Amino acid sequence: GENVEQHPSTLSVQEGDSAVIKCTYSDSASNYFPWYKQELGKRPQLIIDIRSNVGEKKDQRIAVTLNKTAKHFSLHITETQPEDSAVYFCAATMNTGFQKLVFGTGTRLLVSP
Amino acid sequence: DVKVTQSSRYLVKRTGEKVFLECVQDMDHENMFWYRQDPGLGLRLIYFSYDVKMKEKGDIPEGYSVSREKKERFSLILESASTNQTSMYLCASSLGQDRGPAYFGPGTRLTVL
Repeated sequence: GENVEQHPSTLSVQEGDSAVIKCTYSDSASNYFPWYKQELGKRPQLIIDIRSNVGEKKDQRIAVTLNKTAKHFSLHITETQPEDSAVYFCAATMNTGFQKLVFGTGTRLLVSP
Repeated sequence: DVKVTQSSRYLVKRTGEKVFLECVQDMDHENMFWYRQDPGLGLRLIYFSYDVKMKEKGDIPEGYSVSREKKERFSLILESASTNQTSMYLCASSLGQDRGPAYFGPGTRLTVL
């Protein structure tokens, strides 16, 4: 069935470094790709999303890129800070409308001071 | 301030019991969702609703039902709880037909003994 693979499962960086999380999807008709951040013990938060008619989107220190040909999209965090430490989930629609997302299994990002 | 609330943070039930989880949002959102979150599996969609009295199955609807009698309230029902339904349940909402979940509730950790 349709799925979203997310890598790496854990990522450790030093404060100030950049972090990149990559997801690949299987359905070529997927057209909406959100990213969520979940801090320990808290609810997921939508942090950025991108649609299939756009190749890149930025919001301050975070950016998402989309390569439709290769069917992958990535989250880039620059100048990482300890408060960026969290689990990040990618997701993609699966040809059944925007509301039905399939999620990746998450990346635990640890930013050390 | 955007708010999605869930009726319980922690719940312990016995096998075979009927369980009701309630979610309320105060943002007049059309879309409401129920997910379960299990370690290593990410978030999986159980059901969603795009309007009052409307519902659609997600990826794992078996053993669950939902009810949306009012726009602000979306209930998840476990008809006969089983131990494999022990999980974290997350409600979410969003506005518009072109996006998935935007705001999540705090979650209900359900344990079925």
